[in-house]
Amino acid sequence: EPEVTQTPSHQVTQMGQEVILRCVPISNHLYFYWYRQILGQKVEFLVSFYNNEISEKSEIFDDQFSVERPDGSNFTLKIRSTKLEDSAMYFCASSEPDRGTEAFFGQGTRLTVV
Amino acid sequence: QKEVEQNSGPLSVPEGAIASLNCTYSDRGSQSFFWYRQYSGKSPELIMFIYSNGDKEDGRFTAQLNKASQYVSLLIRDSQPSDSATYLCAVNDRQAGTALIFGKGTTLSVSS
Repeated sequence: EPEVTQTPSHQVTQMGQEVILRCVPISNHLYFYWYRQILGQKVEFLVSFYNNEISEKSEIFDDQFSVERPDGSNFTLKIRSTKLEDSAMYFCASSEPDRGTEAFFGQGTRLTVV
Repeated sequence: QKEVEQNSGPLSVPEGAIASLNCTYSDRGSQSFFWYRQYSGKSPELIMFIYSNGDKEDGRFTAQLNKASQYVSLLIRDSQPSDSATYLCAVNDRQAGTALIFGKGTTLSVSS
């Protein structure tokens, strides 16, 4: 069964460093998303992406965040200068063109900022 | 501020019983309603979605929607220990590419 894949599964970085989280969405999906979940808290929307543009972003998605689809398969989230409070699970999700609201999640990247 | 509220639980049921999970939402413009299951340390897994008022059944799962009351529920029949997880309710406005707003989830524990 097709699935969203994310790499790495766990990343440890020092405060102030840049990180790039990678995702390969399901191949026929056209809508891509990033969510995060701080330990013990709810899943929070960061950004959605369609047709090489950001469709929607939340207040969390400030200037230190950026997204890119560098090629036909990958979708990335860059955090420019990480803070301790960026420590969380980051989930990539994707949805089909005709069923754009039913999002399927990858297994997540656990980001730890030290 | 769009909010989705769930009782955090834990909800404890014996094996074979019906588990009933509830969710309320604040935005009357919400049109799509989802139930995700999340095992500890894992990602959300979509198990049900419902768009229209009434019931929708899929195997042991039934989703119920009442837009007038802004209320969504999930019934799990014949609960199994493997159903033990956190169940997340999520809503959006049914526009493709828009944000899912999640509740904090209800933890279900099924004892054998």
